[in-house]
Amino acid sequence: EAGVTQFPSHSVIEKGQTVTLRCDPISGHDNLYWYRRVMGKEIKFLLHFVKESKQDESGMPNNRFLAERTGGTYSTLKVQPAELEDSGVYFCASSGNSYNSPLHFGNGTRLTVT
Amino acid sequence: ILNVEQSPQSLHVQEGDSTNFTCSFPSSNFYALHWYRWETAKSPEALFVMTLNGDEKKKGRISATLNTKEGYSYLYIKGSQPEDSATYLCALYILTGGGNKLTFGTGTQLKVEL
Repeated sequence: EAGVTQFPSHSVIEKGQTVTLRCDPISGHDNLYWYRRVMGKEIKFLLHFVKESKQDESGMPNNRFLAERTGGTYSTLKVQPAELEDSGVYFCASSGNSYNSPLHFGNGTRLTVT
Repeated sequence: ILNVEQSPQSLHVQEGDSTNFTCSFPSSNFYALHWYRWETAKSPEALFVMTLNGDEKKKGRISATLNTKEGYSYLYIKGSQPEDSATYLCALYILTGGGNKLTFGTGTQLKVEL
């Protein structure tokens, strides 16, 4: 089966610009998560979708971040306007419907804000 | 805030050494404990998902145990090899009022030297 895919793999933008990251989960996975790793620190939860609904968005840092998952398939994470501290690697993961289903991660999008 | 703690933060061992590290977590609302292996420049890869107190899982030279009553899990690597060098992450799956959530620890960075 195809894994979780993320696009783009790298993005370099200037402060104040907008960037949209995309994640295509494994087909059939209702759960979709966004995580972020900033400057080698621990991986931090951003939000969790179950199908098209936001189950938990407690990790979203502020209202400059907007995540969507229209139709319960792929998801987008938009940062607008981007700030320097938003630089990091953004990972998407998907999982099946059981609490003992492991997460399958994408390769991440490395975002650099200059 | 849910604290999932891992120790040590980093570890250097010689090839052939056996090693272990710890993941500590609050034992209330426990549903599952995940272990992931994260190699540099790659995405995290699931090792184990453990759900029952006393669970023990094994995958080749890597094994893990779980104590949900006291809130810890150990990951063991027998006869470490250079290819075992990676960051090992544990993650706690709980059910909250807002739904389920997977919270990651800070990771143990393992370096196996020849």
